[in-house]
Amino acid sequence: GAGVSQSPSNKVTEKGKDVELRCDPISGHTALYWYRQSLGQGLEFLIYFQGNSAPDKSGLPSDRFSAERTGGSVSTLTIQRTQQEDSAVYLCASVRGAENTEAFFGQGTRLTVV
Amino acid sequence: DQQVKQNSPSLSVQEGRISILNCDYTNSMFDYFLWYKKYPAEGPTFLISISSIKDKNEDGRFTVFLNKSAKHLSLHIVPSQPGDSAVYFCAASKRNTPLVFGKGTRLSVIA
Repeated sequence: GAGVSQSPSNKVTEKGKDVELRCDPISGHTALYWYRQSLGQGLEFLIYFQGNSAPDKSGLPSDRFSAERTGGSVSTLTIQRTQQEDSAVYLCASVRGAENTEAFFGQGTRLTVV
Repeated sequence: DQQVKQNSPSLSVQEGRISILNCDYTNSMFDYFLWYKKYPAEGPTFLISISSIKDKNEDGRFTVFLNKSAKHLSLHIVPSQPGDSAVYFCAASKRNTPLVFGKGTRLSVIA
């Protein structure tokens, strides 16, 4: 497709379970971000992939969070042993290059941990 | 420590008038600034940007002003329309580092 695609759009999981969130960036874009937005909060940076460089993981809130980007394209964000405070909208964005110009966001995955 | 701050969580403006959204930043190394608009249940969409070598960028009804000495930028929307009602996020970056976002300002344009 033409835009950034995220799946699933909604996910309800039980506390303690693992979840995987998927992001399909725009073809040819070399940079990919994961952000999350908790209720009433701004966009919290999680992780940043740029080309073949080592990802910037400085925003991951705990070691329960991990992400990978296979083949420089699709990315998966994994949250292990989910907690209620992980409930948020998880947003993926892709950028054409290193210049940090326009980042295109997906529609997000709303994660609810019950 | 918040590097990008949007101190007004909300703003109400009458249709046809000017909307001014403000943003302050603390990191003088930022060299690129962006504004995003977000509707409920959608991802943010890019609105307008400005490089640190400029002090103004205009695109239709939207103008962004950058004051580097004050580390302040603002987004002007004129005339404001009801469809502009959304949450507006300010973001800042430098090359090869993540975009840093503010907490957003909810704009309501009243018909």
